[in-house]
Amino acid sequence: DQQVKQNSPSLSVQEGRISILNCDYTNSMFDYFLWYKKYPAEGPTFLISISSIKDKNEDGRFTVFLNKSAKHLSLHIVPSQPGDSAVYFCASAGAGSYQLTFGKGTKLSVIP
Amino acid sequence: GAGVSQSPRYKVAKRGQDVALRCDPISGHVSLFWYQQALGQGPEFLTYFQNEAQLDKSGLPSDRFFAERPEGSVSTLKIQRTQQEDSAVYLCASSNLGHNTGELFFGEGSRLTVL
Repeated sequence: DQQVKQNSPSLSVQEGRISILNCDYTNSMFDYFLWYKKYPAEGPTFLISISSIKDKNEDGRFTVFLNKSAKHLSLHIVPSQPGDSAVYFCASAGAGSYQLTFGKGTKLSVIP
Repeated sequence: GAGVSQSPRYKVAKRGQDVALRCDPISGHVSLFWYQQALGQGPEFLTYFQNEAQLDKSGLPSDRFFAERPEGSVSTLKIQRTQQEDSAVYLCASSNLGHNTGELFFGEGSRLTVL
């Protein structure tokens, strides 16, 4: 049973528009959430995170929103750039836990 | 180098062979993790070291999988008697924190193909 779900395997967005990547989780013990970005033949790189005590965290063009009651988080990228084309993984962890549980990823394509 | 280094990048093994995958973490990082990423899936936790101590090996799929980090730096993941279902990318990550309120730094991975 998948505890972290990314239901959209792929997403295409025009350059300059907003990209919205979604993630749902089932484990109510998760209280820390991260997004990783992965280019082909490279390891995942950390993008942005959010703690359960917040509902929004912003870093430049990237914003993560957390809706705890819905067990849902989303990553907004605005404006989207061609270099943002990659696979984005949502990951979650419980309090004090060192284990990350990842979703299957969403492949974002930003079209020039 | 400044990042996490893994070798070999690609490994092809015949079923039944033993393989060893190496990870050289970022210097000074006390925490080291191994993850397995099957095709089309997200990374899945295998094991965790804090310095030389293996604190969690609950994710290792079978007793054919063994990991060590004898001096608290370089780590080796060993897979004995490889099976086709072991084919995956094995990712190593390190962190200077003992828990996940910080980011993990991943290596490029070792892609294992078992024929």
